[in-house]
Formats: sequence, structure tokens, C-alpha cells
Amino acid sequence: DGGITQSPKYLFRKEGQNVTLSCEQNLNHDAMYWYRQDPGQGLRLIYYSQIVNDFQKGDIAEGYSVSREKKESFPLTVTSAQKNPTAFYLCASSPWRRPNTGELFFGEGSRLTVL
Amino acid sequence: SQQGEEDPQALSIQEGENATMNCSYKTSINNLQWYRQNSGRGLVHLILIRSNEREKHSGRLRVTLDTSKKSSSLLITASRAADTASYFCATDAGNNDMRFGAGTRLTVKP
Repeated sequence: DGGITQSPKYLFRKEGQNVTLSCEQNLNHDAMYWYRQDPGQGLRLIYYSQIVNDFQKGDIAEGYSVSREKKESFPLTVTSAQKNPTAFYLCASSPWRRPNTGELFFGEGSRLTVL
Repeated sequence: SQQGEEDPQALSIQEGENATMNCSYKTSINNLQWYRQNSGRGLVHLILIRSNEREKHSGRLRVTLDTSKKSSSLLITASRAADTASYFCATDAGNNDMRFGAGTRLTVKP
């Protein structure tokens, strides 16, 4: 079945460690996104990519890094520079590229807890 | 920063009743979308309404859009316990930057 797979679902990290969250899609979508969700808040955009080897910062990119070496994959690294990394992270993809826009397809999320 | 703001923040109803959620936004949009999220899960797209549309239906869902008031509403008719979830509106200004509100938590009691 086509879809977006995020892993791991749960991740614990000690302060000062970098962690990488995986996001893979087999929908052949061009655009991919990373969002952060905190309790009681909406989703905030971290990074997005519209084509391979290109990505753009969102509203809260500080302390995060991404790569887009393959169309199917858009991993997110939460670095030690991110001051408050405990959150629920959601990856999404879309077949739409600028200027056309449309629905997003989401993965099941990864919950990161910093101990 | 968030664009859409949902109202109410939480809503509790009995099965069979209708649920109405509202969304207000601030800037011009190309389209507005509604998503559903079950606890601890990813978001699922429900419906998209374009800026030149006023109303759209999908099964038990009815969405309205008033661009003059910069507001939208989502109506779920004949609600079921399985409709219990958080509902988010997302505004799309056409630059691939989707803005999500904080959501409405809907509880449908059996």
C-alpha cells in the first residue's frame, strides 16, 4: 500500500545528543514537509522540500537539519542546538508543487522525549 | 506562526447530535482544508474548499467558507463515537506554506 512511513514511533534522547527521524514515502510525491506539534498547539513548519537536493526553512528551523538526497526520503535531524526538542514530529508529503497546492498526506508521527 | 484559529477549543456532544467547528484566519488564501487527528496519530485530510467556493459536502461533512469574513465552518452531522478526535483547519496561501490552527477537540459520547 502507498503511504508515508515514519520511524521510530517513540524515541528517547539524552540532552546533548543529535537524533535523526526517518520519513519515507512511496507515493511518488515531489513535496515533503516536517512539522512539529506541541500539546494544545497547531502544527508548526520546520522544513519543506519540493524537489530532490532542495529544501527550505520553515518557521522554526533553528536546531534542526534535513536532507533530500532521494525523492522518497526526507530525514530530519534534531540537533543538540534545539533547546526544547521534546515534541511530536509529523512528516507529510504532497503531489502538489508551486504554484499548485492541495492536500497533505501525513505519516503517523514520531514522539521524541528528551530525558 | 499560526494562521487559522479554531473555535471552540473543545466540544462535547452526544451521539447523533451535530457538531459545528469554526475557523478564522487573517490573510488571503487559495484554499482552506480540514484535517482530523486521532490521539497520538497523524493527520488525515477531510475536505478542501477553494477560495471561490462557498460550500462543500463530503458524506456527513459540510464545510462553508466566507472569504469576506475570513472564516470557515465544519459541520459533522449525526455524529458517532468514532468521530471523537481533534479537528484542524489549515489555510493555504498558495506558496506551499500550510498554516494550521490549534484545533478543536471533539468528544462524542455514546
